[in-house]
Amino acid sequence: DIVMTQSPFSLAVSEGEMVTINCKSSQSLLSSGNQKNYLAWYQQKPGQSPKLLIYYASTRQSGVPDRFIGSGSGTDFTLTISDVQAEDLADYYCLQHYSSPFTFGSGTKLEIK
Amino acid sequence: EVQLVESGGGLVKPGSSLKLSCVASGFTFSSYGMHWIRQAPKKGLEWIALIYYDSSNKYYADSVKGRFTISRDNSKNTLYLEMNSLRSEDTAMYYCAKSGYFDYWGQGVMVTVSS
Repeated sequence: DIVMTQSPFSLAVSEGEMVTINCKSSQSLLSSGNQKNYLAWYQQKPGQSPKLLIYYASTRQSGVPDRFIGSGSGTDFTLTISDVQAEDLADYYCLQHYSSPFTFGSGTKLEIK
Repeated sequence: EVQLVESGGGLVKPGSSLKLSCVASGFTFSSYGMHWIRQAPKKGLEWIALIYYDSSNKYYADSVKGRFTISRDNSKNTLYLEMNSLRSEDTAMYYCAKSGYFDYWGQGVMVTVSS
């Protein structure tokens, strides 16, 4: 099984600051067939279901603000949120959808100071 | 607009069974694989099952293999999760999600297993 190691567990920032969340996979998520990384990022606000932010490591889902940026390849991936807003208060998860069993990172709680 | 609506949750005793449903709308259900994911209270997300668009392949997490069965009825745009031999550790919010990279999720349905 592919293990997803996500960090940090939590972070607190002020509005307007930038945050970086990391996810490391125990195996490469890069498909040799189509050169896509099978890594996605989700945002889960309190009391809500998760919402897709980024797929294929760096493709922003339609309607997601451009301050959410996904990067990385192979086994190391990053979600960067620039100019953090109060509405970004949420838990963030990475997911590998490269192979079954699909596995999530343990989550990162973003708090706004 | 894509919508996924789960139902069928509730409070059940250990060892009992329950069947969840997820009704889809706003897309061609029969063209997409579908997943079930769960989230125990105050915990992270756990993928538990995938079914291909035509039911030709099904995959399960080890934690539910042999106890849970994923199925679908494309004529009814409905995904199912049949859960047997329920345990206290199955207590969670259960979500259905569409497609390879889980691009749309339902609102979830709560399953509580307790005596």
